[in-house]
Amino acid sequence: DTGVSQDPRHKITKRGQNVTFRCDPISEHNRLYWYRQTLGQGPEFLTYFQNEAQLEKSRLLSDRFSAERPKGSFSTLEIQRTEQGDSAMYLCASSLSGGLTGELFFGEGSRLTVL
Amino acid sequence: GQQVMQIPQYQHVQEGEDFTTYCNSSTTLSNIQWYKQRPGGHPVFLIQLVKSGEVKKQKRLTFQFGEAKKNSSLHITATQTTDVGTYFCFQGAQKLVFGQGTRLTINP
Repeated sequence: DTGVSQDPRHKITKRGQNVTFRCDPISEHNRLYWYRQTLGQGPEFLTYFQNEAQLEKSRLLSDRFSAERPKGSFSTLEIQRTEQGDSAMYLCASSLSGGLTGELFFGEGSRLTVL
Repeated sequence: GQQVMQIPQYQHVQEGEDFTTYCNSSTTLSNIQWYKQRPGGHPVFLIQLVKSGEVKKQKRLTFQFGEAKKNSSLHITATQTTDVGTYFCFQGAQKLVFGQGTRLTINP
């Protein structure tokens, strides 16, 4: 499978715990994006990388959220001291950079439930 | 911040009826993309529009980009049950923002 893969697919945690999600983009894609989606809403932008550089972060990304893409390949999104409001689907996407944002290829998502 | 407003939020139609969703921005867009998300699935790319007044067709789907590049629409002719899902517009050149989506349900 050469698509975007995310792990884990589901995570249930207790409030206050830390969680980490991993995303493996399509291998030749140099841009990687993280979005958060709650039921009935559109994906909300969190952050994106071009290669290993984190180019933009949303205000939604509080100090409890951090994302890395250390070698410009896979990325991790960590949420510290989880809150119930963090329960959502966390979507990763990748694309080829260019003058305009190209087609985003999404993974299946990582669903977080905070009890 | 920059947003794209999408209407309607929901649309329920009889199979065979047409469906349209609209996306509006207060600022000029460099380009706009459309995605479809099936229930329980992830967004899947449909099309990208770049030029003022551009119209593109994919079988029963027609996509338009306004002359002022501030609005766009997706029209489905003669809906089928396979069209069920939520349709999102996306502006990727500025703020990587998705519209709120239009959820389409179909009565067979």
